[in-house]
Amino acid sequence: KQEVTQIPAALSVPEGENLVLNCSFTDSAIYNLQWFRQDPGKGLTSLLLIQSSQREQTSGRLNASLDKSSGRSTLYIAASQPGDSATYLCAVDQTGANNLFFGTGTRLTVIP
Amino acid sequence: SAVISQKPSRDICQRGTSLTIQCQVDSQVTMMFWYRQQPGQSLTLIATANQGSEATYESGFVIDKFPISRPNLTFSTLTVSNMSPEDSSIYLCSVGGGGIYEQYFGPGTRLTVT
Repeated sequence: KQEVTQIPAALSVPEGENLVLNCSFTDSAIYNLQWFRQDPGKGLTSLLLIQSSQREQTSGRLNASLDKSSGRSTLYIAASQPGDSATYLCAVDQTGANNLFFGTGTRLTVIP
Repeated sequence: SAVISQKPSRDICQRGTSLTIQCQVDSQVTMMFWYRQQPGQSLTLIATANQGSEATYESGFVIDKFPISRPNLTFSTLTVSNMSPEDSSIYLCSVGGGGIYEQYFGPGTRLTVT
């Protein structure tokens, strides 16, 4: 069974700092990987989706990379802002059938 | 993208009772998904609900405990039956996903069982 791990569990950084969140998965035979942010009471917001054939995706200050062979993905956030404070989740779709395996998340706090 | 709403947003229920959670999507979708997020844990898929067929449950989840309805292409319900404190979780519905498509989530229903 696919297992997804996220390190660190929590991270606190000063505003303006660049940061990297890590996600690892045990079975490299994935279909795609998606990064979400979770805000209290607001469900999950999709940030980036990387297909298995892609190496990275970018959206604004966010860049996600995927190294499928090593079972790793990173989410890079540039010039962090207090509004980036949230829990960040990565999720792996193994078959394309939408059964996502989620990591336990990284809780990010950006200090003004 | 899809806009998803859920009702109720939160509830406190007594042990042994049942709660039905509603999920409404602003567009027609083939598949809808129900997830559970227990305190301090990650999300786990409960079941996939296709319109016109029985829901497909993941290992560890059974229809008697989590009956699901999918009467049309924009709506689904999840019932949490005979609740115990261990059912205290956030329940989320989602749509989309698969291949190149992102998966979208509702705001969740925070359930507390006392």
